[in-house]
Amino acid sequence: AAGVIQSPRHLIKEKRETATLKCYPIPRHDTVYWYQQGPGQDPQFLISFYEKMQSDKGSIPDRFSAQQFSDYHSELNMSSLELGDSALYFCASSGPMTGELFFGEGSRLTVL
Amino acid sequence: QKEVEQDPGPLSVPEGAIVSLNCTYSNSAFQYFMWYRQYSRKGPELLMYTYSSGNKEDGRFTAQVDKSSKYISLFIRDSQPSDSATYLCAMSASGGYQKVTFGTGTKLQVIP
Repeated sequence: AAGVIQSPRHLIKEKRETATLKCYPIPRHDTVYWYQQGPGQDPQFLISFYEKMQSDKGSIPDRFSAQQFSDYHSELNMSSLELGDSALYFCASSGPMTGELFFGEGSRLTVL
Repeated sequence: QKEVEQDPGPLSVPEGAIVSLNCTYSNSAFQYFMWYRQYSRKGPELLMYTYSSGNKEDGRFTAQVDKSSKYISLFIRDSQPSDSATYLCAMSASGGYQKVTFGTGTKLQVIP
């Protein structure tokens, strides 16, 4: 079965640079969620999109932005990167009328 | 205080033991409850998804929800070394579209 696809899997950036993460949800899933997970920590909710509109917002820094496109894929844009942004970034998707989140394998961002 | 509290462990049990994992929460609006398993450097994998109070069984896994006590549990019967992972409880107020809040995770080790 198709799963959530994230790219790139690994990313190394310098401080103050910009990074873009991509997420392709499971086919026919209409909601995409972004989470940030630091080492030994629980996933922290950043933002979610339903039918290309922002449906909820969590602790996403103002330096970050995200959107969902017409084909339902989503991109997380991170600017002015800081050392503290180093983390695993997970994308998850859910189908219509269900809160069952299915996660991708994550994108590991390292900021040097 | 975090909305969802979970004992971080680590929890070490012999193979074949019954494992009990628990979470408490403070937000009475939570109605959807999930358990995820996460292997190191991997995305969380959905194990159980339940709505409101009650029990749900799936193979060796049983999820229990007691909304009156704001307490949820996951039981693993006949535990296997392959069950060694971090177990995250998660919950949300809506059945989709909005954020899912995670516990900090319990690290489980099943010793052969």
